[in-house]
Amino acid sequence: DTEVTQTPKHLVMGMTNKKSLKCEQHMGHRAMYWYKQKAKKPPELMFVYSYEKLSINESVPSRFSPECPNSSLLNLHLHALQPEDSALYLCASSQDRAGPRQYFGPGTRLTVT
Amino acid sequence: RKEVEQDPGPFNVPEGATVAFNCTYSNSASQSFFWYRQDCRKEPKLLMSVYSSGNEDGRFTAQLNRASQYISLLIRDSKLSDSATYLCVVRNNNDMRFGAGTRLTVKP
Repeated sequence: DTEVTQTPKHLVMGMTNKKSLKCEQHMGHRAMYWYKQKAKKPPELMFVYSYEKLSINESVPSRFSPECPNSSLLNLHLHALQPEDSALYLCASSQDRAGPRQYFGPGTRLTVT
Repeated sequence: RKEVEQDPGPFNVPEGATVAFNCTYSNSASQSFFWYRQDCRKEPKLLMSVYSSGNEDGRFTAQLNRASQYISLLIRDSKLSDSATYLCVVRNNNDMRFGAGTRLTVKP
C-alpha cells in the first residue's frame, strides 16, 4: 500500500469556523508533512513531523495547528482562517526525514469565505 | 535567488515532439534530485529520480550535472497524456525544495 489518504477532498468554511484536515498513511513512514499550494505555484512546506514530533514549523500563523496523534495519522486544525488561506493542502510522507522520496496525498481543496 | 529555478514555460508542443526542461539549484550540498509531475488540481506524483549517471524510463530521460548544478528532463515522442506541470525537486538537509514548475501542453 503506497497510498496517502486525505479527508475531506473539499472544504468550504467561514472565517469563524473551526475545522480539521486529516491525513493517513500505512506505509510505516516516520516523517509526515503538511504543504500549502496556491494555484500555479509550487507546494510550500508548512510543518514536518518526524517520529511524531514536530521538527519544522515554517513560521506558519497560529490559526493553523498541526497534530500527530500516532505514526500513521496527521491532522491540521484550522481556526479563524482568512480568505487568503484558500488553497490546496497537501499531506505527504516519507520513510523518514532523510527520504528518499515523498508520497503525496490527493489534497484537500479549502475555500475560506 | 530561488533555491530551485526552472524554465518558466509554458511549453506548447505537437504530439510526437521532443521537449526538454531545465532546472538549476543553488545549494551545492543538495543530496537527491527528482522530477515530479502534477496534473491540474491533483497532487504531485514522482515521475523519476535523477542520478549523476543519467537515467531513462521509456520516453523520459533525466540528467544531472553536479558541477553545473543543473538537472534536465527530456521527453521524446510526446503524448497528449504528458500534458501536466513538471516540478523539479531537490532535497537539501532532509527537506524537499520545489521549483515553480513548468507547464507542458501537448496538442493533437
